[in-house]
Amino acid sequence: EPEVTQTPSHQVTQMGQEVILRCVPISNHLYFYWYRQILGQKVEFLVSFYNNEISEKSEIFDDQFSVERPDGSNFTLKIRSTKLEDSAMYFCASSEAMLQPQHFGDGTRLSIL
Amino acid sequence: DQQVKQNSPSLSVQEGRISILNCDYTNSMFDYFLWYKKYPAEGPTFLISISSIKDKNEDGRFTVFLNKSAKHLSLHIVPSQPGDSAVYFCAAYSGAGSYQLTFGKGTKLSVIP
Repeated sequence: EPEVTQTPSHQVTQMGQEVILRCVPISNHLYFYWYRQILGQKVEFLVSFYNNEISEKSEIFDDQFSVERPDGSNFTLKIRSTKLEDSAMYFCASSEAMLQPQHFGDGTRLSIL
Repeated sequence: DQQVKQNSPSLSVQEGRISILNCDYTNSMFDYFLWYKKYPAEGPTFLISISSIKDKNEDGRFTVFLNKSAKHLSLHIVPSQPGDSAVYFCAAYSGAGSYQLTFGKGTKLSVIP
C-alpha cells in the first residue's frame, strides 16, 4: 500500500537554528498538509498546499514557517529561528482531493535545545 | 477551543467484546468525519469516515454512527482484538472550502486478551 514517508524520524537542533523537515507524499495525491502535535496535546493543523501554493494556513503558521515542493516528489517544511516551543511531532499528510481522507506519515520528532 | 471532544481519555475492553468510542463536536459547519488509529511512534492511520448526509457507515469490524442533531458520533469495533489496542482520534472537515482536519484529543483503547 502506498504511504507517506518522512525524514528524518528525529531531529535535534539548537535554538535559533533553521530546520527543514522532508516528506514524500503518496504519488497520485494532489493535496499536501503539515500538522504538529506538541507532547500531550492535540494534533494541530499548520498548512495545506495545492497546485504549488498554500491553500490554507493556521494562526500557528506565521512568518517563521514556510513550505515548498522543490520537485515532483518532495514536500518540505522549513522552520527558521527555531524556539523551544517548536519542539513537537510534525506530521506530513496527503490526500487525493479535498474532503478525502488524509494519509499521514510517521512523523518527525523535532527537539529544540 | 475544543470543537471536537473525546471525553474518555481511555477505555478497556475484553477481547471479543464490542468497543464503543465516542466523539462530540460543537461546530455545525463540520460535514465530514473521520476516525484514525495511532500506534506509538507511528502516524495516524485512516480507519473509516462518514459524510454528514449519512447516519451510518460500515467497514468490516468497524462501524461509525453519526447523530447530527446531537452533534455526536461513535465508532464501534466488533469483535475487539488485542491488535486494536491504540489511540483513536476523531477528526472533522468543516467543508466550506476548508482543507484542515480538526482533531479530538484521542481515546486510548486497551483490548485485554
